Amino acid sequence: DAGITQSPRHKVTETGTPVTLRCHQTENHRYMYWYRQDPGHGLRLIHYSYGVKDTDKGEVSDGYSVSRSKTEDFLLTLESATSSQTSVYFCAIRSGSGSGKNIQYFGAGTRLSVL
Amino acid sequence: DAKTTQPTSMDCAEGRAANLPCNHSTISGNEYVYWYRQIHSQGPQYIIHGLKNNETNEMASLIITEDRKSSTLILPHATLRDTAVYYCIVRKADGAGGTSYGKLTFGQGTILTVHP
Repeated sequence: DAGITQSPRHKVTETGTPVTLRCHQTENHRYMYWYRQDPGHGLRLIHYSYGVKDTDKGEVSDGYSVSRSKTEDFLLTLESATSSQTSVYFCAIRSGSGSGKNIQYFGAGTRLSVL
Repeated sequence: DAKTTQPTSMDCAEGRAANLPCNHSTISGNEYVYWYRQIHSQGPQYIIHGLKNNETNEMASLIITEDRKSSTLILPHATLRDTAVYYCIVRKADGAGGTSYGKLTFGQGTILTVHP
């Protein structure tokens, strides 16, 4: 499992409340990613990080923010949750560097329901 | 990154080889082929990747045609636990004008069902 832990694994929240999801890794990887997965859309990149305090937007970043204050933790925050953010969220780390060595390992996912 | 085309679904008998095709006719010379799978309710799992030579690891074999326009993932002895969605992804190597920082684009994949 490449030492990736996502928490919580399940969460139910109400519209308008802030929510923070945590991704923790134990292997000191530089790159970390947050994806969401919805029926009919596959996995879509929300935000990614390429180092401590270095983050950038993915393709579906609206309504989300991230922070990475230390190598092992990458936090995803929904500032004011909406029903459209009901989804399964996956964190990933990237192993290796250089040509072709872009192997990503994924966490078990967080299932978020916004009511 | 090149677009990929995979069959929507496939069936395989347990113990037999599962051969999953992927078409990537617009692939360029510096693009790699990656295969991932996702078992129900779990995170995606890396299987194998290659550039132009055939590759084999403990999970599977990857056969890439000589013109690199298609590839086949082979699970040599499929088990019920191999039932999953299999994704074929084509991506440029870093520093070769590809998408930044390793973003992977997952399509719809192939639903492989292994029957007893």
